[in-house]
Amino acid sequence: DGGITQSPKYLFRKEGQNVTLSCEQNLNHDAMYWYRQDPGQGLRLIYYSQIVNDFQKGDIAEGYSVSREKKESFPLTVTSAQKNPTAFYLCASSMAGGSHEQYFGPGTRLTVT
Amino acid sequence: GENVEQHPSTLSVQEGDSAVIKCTYSDSASNYFPWYKQELGKRPQLIIDIRSNVGEKKDQRIAVTLNKTAKHFSLHITETQPEDSAVYFCAASRASGTYKYIFGTGTRLKVLA
Repeated sequence: DGGITQSPKYLFRKEGQNVTLSCEQNLNHDAMYWYRQDPGQGLRLIYYSQIVNDFQKGDIAEGYSVSREKKESFPLTVTSAQKNPTAFYLCASSMAGGSHEQYFGPGTRLTVT
Repeated sequence: GENVEQHPSTLSVQEGDSAVIKCTYSDSASNYFPWYKQELGKRPQLIIDIRSNVGEKKDQRIAVTLNKTAKHFSLHITETQPEDSAVYFCAASRASGTYKYIFGTGTRLKVLA
């Protein structure tokens, strides 16, 4: 289904726990991205990576961390420092360069209580 | 900083009528402008895009126009159908440097049968 997968689809955690969201792509894309979407809101960039072993903060990186050890994988950790972690998280990937389509995964809905 | 303004935030049209969504960008170096459609609970999907060397692009009932001088671009949907109901996002990005998109805040389109 588009070559980019996220797991799990729904995730429930207690406040104070770190949680890691998975994102895998088999499109041979160099660039990967994480977005957060709140109900009725737009897409806000958390982190992005243009190449393996390199990543940059987006607009709302506080309370999140990422790694890019493999081209295919870009996991996102939501730490206990993130004040409002409940949201819909979308991962995307694209070919290198900004003028290319970003392919989105199906998303993970995280609920923290 | 760089931003993309999108209007209107909500739009209701009668089935068969046309819908127009407008975006304005601030980064004059932007040269790629995609439009994404997101149905409720689903991933955003690219519906059309335009590059800065083109003023207009059409794909069946969907068209996008670009005015680089004014830094405006617009999505036009003709003969709207109920399945066009969704949230539409515009974005702007550069071909070089950072690869990130700057997304607009989204337009919720409702097509009334």
